Amino acid sequence: DAGVTQSPTHLIKTRGQQVTLRCSPISGHKSVSWYQQVLGQGPQFIFQYYEKEERGRGNFPDRFSARQFPNYSSELNVNALLLGDSALYLCASSLWLAGFYEQYFGPGTRLTVT
Amino acid sequence: AQKVTQAQTEISVVEKEDVTLDCVYETRDTTYYLFWYKQPPSGELVFLIRRNSFDEQNEISGRYSWNFQKSTSSFNFTITASQVVDSAVYFCALSEALGANNLFFGTGTRLTVIP
Repeated sequence: DAGVTQSPTHLIKTRGQQVTLRCSPISGHKSVSWYQQVLGQGPQFIFQYYEKEERGRGNFPDRFSARQFPNYSSELNVNALLLGDSALYLCASSLWLAGFYEQYFGPGTRLTVT
Repeated sequence: AQKVTQAQTEISVVEKEDVTLDCVYETRDTTYYLFWYKQPPSGELVFLIRRNSFDEQNEISGRYSWNFQKSTSSFNFTITASQVVDSAVYFCALSEALGANNLFFGTGTRLTVIP
């Protein structure tokens, strides 16, 4: 079975621009979460979506938005990019497993804002 | 509020030595889950273990073992007879409450195994 896929792998943007990152979950997984990992830090939770509805949101500004499509793939959008948005963006797809969501992470999209 | 502390920023060991990575957590929930993930240079987070708050039994998986102690809010990870392939950044993480999907990660410990 294919794992979680993310595109693009790398991206370079300029301050003030907008970016869209994409994630395809593992087949059969209905939940997708997004995390931001700044260099030298642990990942920070941004969003969780389940069945196309937002189920959780971390402490991120409104410049960050996301959505989930009927096929459970997801997009993360970031508007008005700042230098501090440079990070590895990780997507995790989840399967409900005996009382808990088992999360599987993708390889990430490395965003550089110049 | 939830918090995960990994006080060791970087550790270097010589191959075949044992090494323990420390993790201390804070949470107000009585039901929670603890995790360890490995992040090699490729960047992908690799799941190693999940433990729920009601199960304090220690676990061993090959060269890996985990010591969960609620009394000290610690969930330490030991690699026995370390190998060069163990070199990576290791993250401890916490998830509160059943059904919650967000993980709170520590800042990670970079382990370097020297051949």
